[in-house]
Amino acid sequence: EVKLVESGGVVVQPGGSLRLSCEASGFTFEDYIMHWVRQVPGRGLEWVSLTSWDGGVTYYGDSVKGRFTISRDNSKNSLYLQMNSLQPEDTALYYCARGETYSNYESSWISFWGQGTLVTVSS
Amino acid sequence: EIVLTQSPGTLSLSLGERATLSCRASQTVRSNYLAWYQQKPGQAPSLLIYGASTRATGIPDRFSGSGSGTDFTLTITRLEPEDFAVYYCQQYVRSPLTFGGGTKVEIK
Repeated sequence: EVKLVESGGVVVQPGGSLRLSCEASGFTFEDYIMHWVRQVPGRGLEWVSLTSWDGGVTYYGDSVKGRFTISRDNSKNSLYLQMNSLQPEDTALYYCARGETYSNYESSWISFWGQGTLVTVSS
Repeated sequence: EIVLTQSPGTLSLSLGERATLSCRASQTVRSNYLAWYQQKPGQAPSLLIYGASTRATGIPDRFSGSGSGTDFTLTITRLEPEDFAVYYCQQYVRSPLTFGGGTKVEIK
């Protein structure tokens, strides 16, 4: 059974930092592109970032570029999101997701989603 | 950035009716790099369609995707109780990947 379990979501003050983790199981983690997607409760989906199979190629949404860093450890079947300079508008449920592609890394749709971890940025 | 506009925002239909959801892109979505997702209340999204028209594993054939260029459609031929949810389209032509704002299909 494919599983993605996110953790690390907490309440953090504006300007603070946080690292989210996602533990994968039930599939060969190193064979897949991985994404982070976020959703403000009751609102729509916003793509955050993706990483290639080996972590060597990464892409970011404009709203997080320069502040967030995606990484992975294939030996631990884990995906991470380092979030710096957090702002109230970063408050959201953060989903870890498995990607698929027939071509290049950035042309990836999402085949499976975790249940999310909630990040709240508030003083 | 490719902007996706979904319409209508809310679709009120009865069981057994046909649902037609639209997703319009601000630029050509090459190679039909468009996916559809379903999200039920309190749950994570799940993949329905990729490549504009290919159903994901286990998706019933009452769901179909069509379109090309800038105009795409998700059709649900006969609404079942479990189909009432929010549906999102997503383009994966290039970064930044973008989602539409969603269409909520509710029971009339």
